[in-house]
Amino acid sequence: DAKTTQPTSMDCAEGRAANLPCNHSTISGNEYVYWYRQIHSQGPQYIIHGLKNNETNEMASLIITEDRKSSTLILPHATLRDTAVYYCIVRVSYSGAGSYQLTFGKGTKLSVIP
Amino acid sequence: AAGVIQSPRHLIKEKRETATLKCYPIPRHDTVYWYQQGPGQDPQFLISFYEKMQSDKGSIPDRFSAQQFSDYHSELNMSSLELGDSALYFCASSLERGGLPDTQYFGPGTRLTVL
Repeated sequence: DAKTTQPTSMDCAEGRAANLPCNHSTISGNEYVYWYRQIHSQGPQYIIHGLKNNETNEMASLIITEDRKSSTLILPHATLRDTAVYYCIVRVSYSGAGSYQLTFGKGTKLSVIP
Repeated sequence: AAGVIQSPRHLIKEKRETATLKCYPIPRHDTVYWYQQGPGQDPQFLISFYEKMQSDKGSIPDRFSAQQFSDYHSELNMSSLELGDSALYFCASSLERGGLPDTQYFGPGTRLTVL
């Protein structure tokens, strides 16, 4: 499974864009990049995922470099409620019918500051 | 939209007791996953089920067992509880599409405290 590397922590001013980087230099061609976040002991919340194209949804944008070795999650206008641990996860290669596990690394603790 | 339901939300047990955690997946989801998150730790995969069959196994102790029922809900049974089993237990569900598993959605978790 590809490993990911993220900064331990980041601060962001409220209302500004939060850019969270992730390195996944050993990613395989059929592995997706997923982003989840966990707000203080709540269940991890799905944010977005992508394979090689940039993706955008109502929560965030995901920018994946052309060589797929790194990506950036962008929260366009961070609010205090975005304070959480953000996990960049490379999905385990398809290993059998209907199942794959998520391997959580240390994640980035994002603090949004008023 | 309906989400993953877990019960109970909080559970307190004594050492060597047994606990059963329940998970009700999002309607029509056919795959269930269990994760354990110890204090200050990141979630760790325990076990998963697809169409009522065990599909993957992670770092689940032999004292734990799980199953998925005909209505797709799942139960995690934990016996001979130890202090170190105190953790948050999350269930997630997904729907397999065309041979590839889809995004996992997590429940709110069950906080187990072993005294």
